[in-house]
Amino acid sequence: KQEVTQIPAALSVPEGENLVLNCSFTDSAIYNLQWFRQDPGKGLTSLLLIQSSQREQTSGRLNASLDKSSGRSTLYIAASQPGDSATYLCAVKGGTSYGKLTFGQGTILTVHP
Amino acid sequence: SQTIHQWPATLVQPVGSPLSLECTVEGTSNPNLYWYRQAAGRGLQLLFYSVGIGQISSEVPQNLSASRPQDRQFILSSKKLLLSDSGFYLCAWSGAVGGYTFGSGTRLTVV
Repeated sequence: KQEVTQIPAALSVPEGENLVLNCSFTDSAIYNLQWFRQDPGKGLTSLLLIQSSQREQTSGRLNASLDKSSGRSTLYIAASQPGDSATYLCAVKGGTSYGKLTFGQGTILTVHP
Repeated sequence: SQTIHQWPATLVQPVGSPLSLECTVEGTSNPNLYWYRQAAGRGLQLLFYSVGIGQISSEVPQNLSASRPQDRQFILSSKKLLLSDSGFYLCAWSGAVGGYTFGSGTRLTVV
C-alpha cells in the first residue's frame, strides 16, 4: 500500500525566504506526482505535475523535483510572499494511467509580511 | 478547456436525512471521476471512483453511495446521514494522461 509523507507538517517564515517542502513515498512504481495548493475552506489547485519519466517541472517561482528511485519529491518556492500562505499537498498516482491518487497530510505554510 | 462543477458549496443537514451531491465535468469525454472526503484534521480519503458510466468502485465501507448516470456526471448520495458523514467533499476528474483536477468542494455539516 502506497504511503505518502510530507515534512515539515507546518512552516512559518518571513517574506522573501526561499523554501523547500519535502514529500516521500513508499512505492516507487508511480505514474506521476502532483503538487497541490489548498486555501482554507477551498478546493485543491494543481501547481505542478511531474510524470514518472521526468526529473523536474517549473512554473514561475515554483520548482518541483522528482527522484522516483528514492521515493522523494521536493517543492521549491523562491522569494516567498504572504500570498503563498496555504496548505501544500503532495500526491502520487498509482502505476497506471488510471491509477488512484494517494495524498500526503500536507504542509501548512505561513509567510509573514 | 475542461472545467469541473460541484454543488452545493455548503450544506447543513439533520441526522437521518438524505444526501445528494452532484459533480459535472465539461470539455472532456470518458473522464475518470472521483469522490474524496477531507475530515477536519485529517487527510484526503478516496471514497469512490468511476472509469465509465455505471462503473463505480468503493474504497471504504460506509454510509454513502455513488452513481454515474451520464459520462460526465458523478453523484454522491446517502439515504440517512450520520454525524460522522460531516466533512469537506471533493469531486475530481482525470484523463488517460495528465493530473487530477478538483472541484471547489462541498462543506457538509450533519447536525
